[in-house]
Amino acid sequence: EADIYQTPRYLVIGTGKKITLECSQTMGHDKMYWYQQDPGMELHLIHYSYGVNSTEKGDLSSESTVSRIRTEHFPLTLESARPSHTSQYLCASIKTGWAEAFFGQGTRLTVV
Amino acid sequence: DAKTTQPPSMDCAEGRAANLPCNHSTISGNEYVYWYRQIHSQGPQYIIHGLKNNETNEMASLIITEDRKSSTLILPHATLRDTAVYYCIVRVANSNSGYALNFGKGTSLLVTP
Repeated sequence: EADIYQTPRYLVIGTGKKITLECSQTMGHDKMYWYQQDPGMELHLIHYSYGVNSTEKGDLSSESTVSRIRTEHFPLTLESARPSHTSQYLCASIKTGWAEAFFGQGTRLTVV
Repeated sequence: DAKTTQPPSMDCAEGRAANLPCNHSTISGNEYVYWYRQIHSQGPQYIIHGLKNNETNEMASLIITEDRKSSTLILPHATLRDTAVYYCIVRVANSNSGYALNFGKGTSLLVTP
């Protein structure tokens, strides 16, 4: 059973609000990832982290930012939400050298 | 990481074997082939991986060609619950410098009654 958690599961928020999507894992994995996926569309990597204090941008440009202050925690922040940010956001983690990446349940974000 | 090419969609009758191909002609010697699947909008689920030998587990079999330029994921007896998007990924397993885990477009498999 994967021990990676995302909160909230669903979020409806007004334009211009600041939001933080939480992702935590208790498996001690060094690498963590954020993906954005619209319904029926491709899974796009937007941010990843090799470890504490390391973050990189993925292939899909995103206005969001991330931080990795603790191994187990990889929050994603949108300073000013817009309707174009409406999507599902999935968090994942993997331990270097292991085969299996584990995914959270996802956060469905709707910006109105 | 090497690039992969998969057909966008495939159909399979329930109870029959589903054979999902993947081309990875630029694969390097230290890169593994991984398969994941995504059911509806859930997070992708790991299925199987291999380097050069064929592999089998309780979910599927992985056949890798001798030149390692392509592989096939086999679901021996497909069920309706196997309807999903299947992703083939090639990457180095033990990278101390980290890597970007990109899934690509995958193959949408539809299992029909």
